[in-house]
This record gives sequence, C-alpha cells and structure tokens, in this order.
Amino acid sequence: ETGVTQSPTHLIKTRGQQVTLRCSSQSGHNTVSWYQQALGQGPQFIFQYYREEENGRGNFPPRFSGLQFPNYSSELNVNALELDDSALYLCASSLAGDLYGYTFGSGTRLTVV
Amino acid sequence: RKEVEQDPGPFNVPEGATVAFNCTYSNSASQSFFWYRQDCRKEPKLLMSVYSSGNEDGRFTAQLNRASQYISLLIRDSKLSDSATYLCVVISPPGRRALTFGSGTRLQVQP
Repeated sequence: ETGVTQSPTHLIKTRGQQVTLRCSSQSGHNTVSWYQQALGQGPQFIFQYYREEENGRGNFPPRFSGLQFPNYSSELNVNALELDDSALYLCASSLAGDLYGYTFGSGTRLTVV
Repeated sequence: RKEVEQDPGPFNVPEGATVAFNCTYSNSASQSFFWYRQDCRKEPKLLMSVYSSGNEDGRFTAQLNRASQYISLLIRDSKLSDSATYLCVVISPPGRRALTFGSGTRLQVQP
C-alpha cells in the first residue's frame, strides 16, 4: 500500500508568481484535503476535494484553488503569491466519512521571496 | 480566540518522567477529538483518538471533558523518542470535513 506523496518537496518562488503543488493520494482513498502550516503553528485547513469537487473550504482567499483528478490525485494552485504564503503545505488523503484514517504526505515547503 | 488552544511549551522533562498536556476547544458542538504527533519538519501522524470515557494506549492516556471543553494527554515513563510536537485536533460541524489543529505543544525528553 503506497502512502501519500507530494511534489515538489521544496520550492522557492517570487512574490506575485503562481505555484502548483501536487499530491497523490493513498491507494483506496477518495478524498484529499490540503493544509497550510506556518512556522510554529498547527496546520490550517485550506479545502477538501471529493469526487473531483470541492466540498469544504477554510478561511483562505480565492487565489487558493485546487483540482482533484479521476485517480483521486490533486493539485493546489496559489496565484499572486505573497510573502505570508511561505509555509509547509500538507496534503492528506482519506476515505470519505472515515475520520480516523487521515494520512498526511510529507509536505511541500514553499518559500516566497 | 482560536478554536483550539494549547500551551506551546516547550516541556523539558527527564527520561522516565510523567508529563501531561492540556488543550481547550471553543466549539461546544465539536464531535471528534484526536491527538496527533509531529516530528521536526515531518508530517503529523495520528497518535490516538480521545473519548469521554478516556482511553489508553500503552504509556499514553487521553481524556475528554465535554463539560469543560478540555482534552488531555498523559505520557508515562517518557522516552527520548517521545520528543516531538503534540497537536490537539478537533472536528466540528458543519460538514465535519476538516481537522482543526491547535498550535501544538513541544516536548523535549532529556537523558
């Protein structure tokens, strides 16, 4: 059974640029959630995708968007990057309705300069 | 006020010590509760679920007090390998789709 994989592991972008982060969900999981973790803070929920549609969103602006593909993999897109977007971005996959089976990827560390 | 609040620590304890972490949550409608562990620069991993009746997993005991909206984690006989950040996590309506994390409590077990 493969776990959750994220790419890239590290990324440096300039303010105002756009970035796409990728996540492959764990085998058998059909739901993907994205979280942002700033230094010294807990992860903050960005949004969740199920059956290729967004079905939950946290307090993040529209410039944070995403996609889920038929194979349940997912992308997180961030437009017009700001310095405060520098963080660890975590993807978690789960089976819909299973609150105990969240599996996190090791994250993408984004630095905006 | 944050939805989930934790003492950030750090808690520096010697090997073999017993240490307790506390967490409070603000949404009285919260329905599911967990402790996650996060090692430095790694992803969070589920440590254990938390129930009102209390639950134990080896050296770890978790307790939920719904009346006080308070969650605790007790670690007995601390090991060096317990050094990590412990995240209190709550799932609340509506939707019950998102994990709401506290900021974490850092534990450093010293030889």
